[in-house]
Amino acid sequence: KNQVEQSPQSLIILEGKNCTLQCNYTVSPFSNLRWYKQDTGRGPVSLTIMTFSENTKSNGRYTATLDADTKQSSLHITASQLSDSASYICVVQYSSASKIIFGSGTRLSIRP
Amino acid sequence: GAVVSQHPSRVICKSGTSVKIECRSLDFQATTMFWYRQFPKQSLMLMATSNEGSKATYEQGVEKDKFLINHASLTLSTLTVTSAHPEDSSFYICSASSSGYGGERTGNTIYFGEGSWLTVV
Repeated sequence: KNQVEQSPQSLIILEGKNCTLQCNYTVSPFSNLRWYKQDTGRGPVSLTIMTFSENTKSNGRYTATLDADTKQSSLHITASQLSDSASYICVVQYSSASKIIFGSGTRLSIRP
Repeated sequence: GAVVSQHPSRVICKSGTSVKIECRSLDFQATTMFWYRQFPKQSLMLMATSNEGSKATYEQGVEKDKFLINHASLTLSTLTVTSAHPEDSSFYICSASSSGYGGERTGNTIYFGEGSWLTVV
């Protein structure tokens, strides 16, 4: 069964600290993996997109990694800011990008 | 960059009436558009995949007669919630997929709209 699982479900950290969010998937054939940030009541915004051959991609303080062999991805946030409080969603496209599965997301709260 | 626009951003309607939500790709042609609903503090749930010029593909459990999707052009898809009930109140989001927009090698790029809050009273 094609699935995308994210952990933790929620996370609270202090401002300035780093954190890592996890995404495991079991889809095939894999096309690409995306991380999105969704603020409450807003549409998701793309952070990174990685294909099979890419194992790391950075976007400012956000760094995503991908291990296609173990089918795991992580999103590392460095020096967190209050504005990083949001849900982070892992999305996997497969079957030549014609199908898409969303993870359930990780709700991140940054406390001052 | 590419932008996907949704309208209205918020709508309140009476129970039993129908409401239409529009999703437009503003500067690219979207061969495929996706419609999702999201309840508070929950993940996006894919409702249907809309392909220009053909019938939408609905996910299991989504009533096609309840949620009418029309993708009449490469820049516009509409979701009509028919005979709305309070339990249909939710956050509805669309996304549009382009083909190789910006020359990226990562396949079809997906852009999300800002979402539409529907409240049925």
